Amino acid sequence: DTAVSQTPKYLVTQMGNDKSIKCEQNLGHDTMYWYKQDSKKFLKIMFSYNNKELIINETVPNRFSPKSPDKAHLNLHINSLELGDSAVYFCASSQVQGDGYTFGSGTRLTVV
Amino acid sequence: GIQVEQSPPDLILQEGANSTLRCNFSDSVNNLQWFHQNPWGQLINLFYIPSGTKQNGRLSATTVATERYSLLYISSSQTTDSGVYFCAVGSSGGSNYKLTFGKGTLLTVNP
Repeated sequence: DTAVSQTPKYLVTQMGNDKSIKCEQNLGHDTMYWYKQDSKKFLKIMFSYNNKELIINETVPNRFSPKSPDKAHLNLHINSLELGDSAVYFCASSQVQGDGYTFGSGTRLTVV
Repeated sequence: GIQVEQSPPDLILQEGANSTLRCNFSDSVNNLQWFHQNPWGQLINLFYIPSGTKQNGRLSATTVATERYSLLYISSSQTTDSGVYFCAVGSSGGSNYKLTFGKGTLLTVNP
């Protein structure tokens, strides 16, 4: 019954690999997001989607490619992983623009 | 872009004490939320409060939008209140589809 679920929870991979993180929400929300939390706990927006349409791409390298097959799912694919990509990636959703967010439990990505 | 400053950066309390966390922002907002990140990393939405006052149990929040600040009050703190408290805002002049986060207040409640 998890409202916003992300998989996997942990991801350890080598530099240069390609990996994906999946996110699904069962709240019926229209908007979904990806946020990145760095080692100092700072949270920063990466992407926003509204009804499957990309709204925000916050100067993220094009190695990161989000995909929203429907408004309940927002996946994140990362090509050619770099050490600096190590972080916790959070998916979130909200009902209408500017409403309260519900976050997933995060995916801790470690690039070695 | 909009700037968000939270204070204090760190706070240590004894169980049962009260505390006030502050969030200052540099521009008018149409969205302000408070989150708690527990020691296991989970981000929990506490309040959606672009203006006014709300209460939920031992927690309450007040946003004075005209003066560009918000306060989070924690009363009778418990060890389970430990974690990082984030304020996040959406600028009135910016996109409705993103929040800018402050750096957080790390709260430690000792038994």
